Amino acid sequence: GNSVTQMEGPVTLSEEAFLTINCTYTATGYPSLFWYVQYPGEGLQLLLKATKADDKGSNKGFEATYRKETTSFHLEKGSVQVSDSAVYFCALIGAGSYQLTFGKGTKLSVIP
Amino acid sequence: GAVVSQHPSWVICKSGTSVKIECRSLDFQATTMFWYRQFPKQSLMLMATSNEGSKATYEQGVEKDKFLINHASLTLSTLTVTSAHPEDSSFYICSAREWLAGETDTQYFGPGTRLTVL
Repeated sequence: GNSVTQMEGPVTLSEEAFLTINCTYTATGYPSLFWYVQYPGEGLQLLLKATKADDKGSNKGFEATYRKETTSFHLEKGSVQVSDSAVYFCALIGAGSYQLTFGKGTKLSVIP
Repeated sequence: GAVVSQHPSWVICKSGTSVKIECRSLDFQATTMFWYRQFPKQSLMLMATSNEGSKATYEQGVEKDKFLINHASLTLSTLTVTSAHPEDSSFYICSAREWLAGETDTQYFGPGTRLTVL
C-alpha cells in the first residue's frame, strides 16, 4: 500500500533560518504529492502540490520538488518567520485513487 | 481558492447525547467528502468516505452505527456522533474533494470541530 514518511519533529528554528522538512513516499505508479499546514486549533490548509516528476510546487515562500528517482518531496523555505510555526503534513494521492495518505506531521516552532 | 466550512467549531455535550457536525463546500460541488479524526499531536485518521446520494464507506474499526454520515447534497455532508461518550472527545475534520476534468484531485479541509463529551 501507499505510505508517507516524514522527518520527526519537533523542529525549532530561529527566525530567518533555512527550513527543510524531509518527506519520502512509497506508492505504485505516479502519485500526486501534497504539503498541508495546520496552525494551532485549526484544520488543514493546502500549502502546495505537485502532480508529476520534476514538478515544483511553491507557495508563500515554501517549495517542494517531486523527485521520482528518490521518491521524495522535501519541503523547503529560505527564511522562516514566527508566523510559520505550525504542523506540516506531507501527503499523497495514489494513482487511480482519491484518498489521501498522510505522514505523521512535523511540528515547526520558529522563535524570534 | 476552494473553501470548506464546518459547524460548529466546538461543542461540549453530556455523555449519552448525540451531536451533529456539518461540513459544507462553499464555492464548489463535492461529490465526495471525507471525515477524519485527529487525536492530540497525531496525524489525521480517516474515518469514512462520504459520497453524495449513497451510503458512506467506513474505514476498518470505525462504528458506522455510532458515527452516522449523511451526504444529502453536493455541498453538504453531516457527521452525527450518536450516544457520545468521553472517549469520543476529539477534533473532527472534514474535507471535500474537488475534481476537475484534466486536473489533479485535491482535497480541501474544513477548520475542524472540537468535540468534548463530559
